[in-house]
Formats: sequence, structure tokens, C-alpha cells
Amino acid sequence: AQSVTQPDIHITVSEGASLELRCNYSYGATPYLFWYVQSPGQGLQLLLKYFSGDTLVQGIKGFEAEFKRSQSSFNLRKPSVHWSDAAEYFCAVGANDYKLSFGAGTTVTVRA
Amino acid sequence: DGGITQSPKYLFRKEGQNVTLSCEQNLNHDAMYWYRQDPGQGLRLIYYSQIVNDFQKGDIAEGYSVSREKKESFPLTVTSAQKNPTAFYLCASSMDRGASYNEQFFGPGTRLTVL
Repeated sequence: AQSVTQPDIHITVSEGASLELRCNYSYGATPYLFWYVQSPGQGLQLLLKYFSGDTLVQGIKGFEAEFKRSQSSFNLRKPSVHWSDAAEYFCAVGANDYKLSFGAGTTVTVRA
Repeated sequence: DGGITQSPKYLFRKEGQNVTLSCEQNLNHDAMYWYRQDPGQGLRLIYYSQIVNDFQKGDIAEGYSVSREKKESFPLTVTSAQKNPTAFYLCASSMDRGASYNEQFFGPGTRLTVL
């Protein structure tokens, strides 16, 4: 079965600084990979997804992610963080079983 | 507007009572899901349904039950057998019977507190 690890529970970043969130997956074949964002007390919103092709994926809100098969990683990046990016971020992996497996999440705090 | 609605937003329950959480979608999606979210544990799958009148257990189905009588609706009942039901519950839906390459769309969630 597939699984996801998000090594960082909490990250604090200054407004305007760059952000990188780590995601490592475990799956034997090429997985379907997703990044979601959740504001406090809300549902999840898709930021971006990877299925195949170009390994650098662009998403909404200025986010991008890079799939690296050799490292089993799908890290999320943003060049310049805004205060509104403070939220919890979830990486998810899908295989061929009609389910997604989610990581434990990374909480991002943005300081002025 | 198309989307997923969950009600109520907050729910309080006494120990020993069953309670039903509502989830409705007007996206014409085949598949629907229920997740439980606890701090530091991400989302854990409770039940999912790929088509009407069919559903499967997820990773933590004990103490929960569901039905899927209509395409638009997938209610979740938290029974008195669920030992620790206090959590945030999220409903989601997706196309193509939930094929894993599809995005899941999420509702706003229901926070259940057992008193």
C-alpha cells in the first residue's frame, strides 16, 4: 500500500521569504501526487497535482512542486510567502485503488 | 454554485448517543468519502462509496456506519460503539468512481464534540 511522510510538523517563515515543504512517498510505481491546503476549521483545497510528464508542476496561489522519482519526493515551494499562506498543508498519494493516502500535515506560520 | 455541503458545522453529543452527519454534493460525482481528522494525524479514511448503493470500509470504520441511497448524499452515523468520536469530520467527492488520478473536492467539515 502507498504511504506519505511529511517530515516537518511545523514551519515558521517570514513574510516575503521562500517556503519549501517536504513530502516523501512510498509506492512501487509512479503515483498520483497531490498537495492540498487547509485554513483553520475549513475543508481542503487542491493546490496542485502530478500524474505524469513534466516533473515541475505549477499550481494555484503561486505554488509549485517538483516530482523527483529518485528521491521519492514531491516537495512544495513558493518563492515569496504572504501572510495569507498561513495554513496547514497536506501531501497525498493515490495508487490504483480509488483511495488517497494523506500525510500528517505541515502547519505553516507566517511572521511579519 | 456546485459544491459539497456538510451539516451541521458544530455538533455536540452525549456519550452513548448515535449521531448522523450530513453530506450533500451537487457536482454529479460518482464517488464520495468520509475522513476523520485529528491533530497531528492527517486525514484517515472512514468509509468510501464509488457508486450508489455500494460502499467500502476505510482504515478506521469501526464504530461508524454509512448509507448511499442517492448519488448526491452520503450520511455518516457515529454510533455509541465509537470509543473516541470527538474529531473534525470531512466529506469529499470525486469523479470517475473515485479513480485515484482525480482530485477530491472537500466540504467545510463538521466538528463533533462528545460531552
